[in-house]
Amino acid sequence: AQRVTQPEKLLSVFKGAPVELKCNYSYSGSPELFWYVQYSRQRLQLLLRHISRESIKGFTADLNKGETSFHLKKPFAQEEDSAMYYCALSGLDGGSNYKLTFGKGTLLTVNP
Amino acid sequence: NAGVTQTPKFQVLKTGQSMTLQCAQDMNHEYMSWYRQDPGMGLRLIHYSVGAGITDQGEVPNGYNVSRSTTEDFPLRLLSAAPSQTSVYFCASRTTGDYGYTFGSGTRLTVV
Repeated sequence: AQRVTQPEKLLSVFKGAPVELKCNYSYSGSPELFWYVQYSRQRLQLLLRHISRESIKGFTADLNKGETSFHLKKPFAQEEDSAMYYCALSGLDGGSNYKLTFGKGTLLTVNP
Repeated sequence: NAGVTQTPKFQVLKTGQSMTLQCAQDMNHEYMSWYRQDPGMGLRLIHYSVGAGITDQGEVPNGYNVSRSTTEDFPLRLLSAAPSQTSVYFCASRTTGDYGYTFGSGTRLTVV
């Protein structure tokens, strides 16, 4: 079974402060991790994929297989970063990589 | 490319009515999925498909049917709507090696 845990339902920071959204996962095979962002009542947009190792909108995330974590970080939060963030997991080991499992999400609010 | 298109955007049903939520993608993606999004629950997988003619159940399949007669379309049928099916429904698709799933804009369903 695959499971994703986002321990914080709500996270509030001030503009310019660093932000870290936590994500832990459970998966017996080789995981593929994602971060999706959903702005108010809009569709989910892919923010990051661990394989690509990109930095999007200043966000980065590193897969830590030892701690089974994929935390999302940004050094200086902006008000436009306010949104719901979902961590998601699928498998890279064939047969199950069509099953994307989501965490329950963290609502980030960046205050002016 | 239109991406993933969902119709309708909004729907109100009476308990016991049936309806079909439409999902179409024009990217020739083999994998398609339906999710429901509920407050505090994140996104939960209802049904998924790995190609035309192949479907399987996700985490919360009860009360829903799917079929995949073509690569492009993956409709979700509510057999006898219940208030517990009030939710926002998202369709998503991807192909092997693609940059994650692409999501539709969602259908907001209310069952009264």
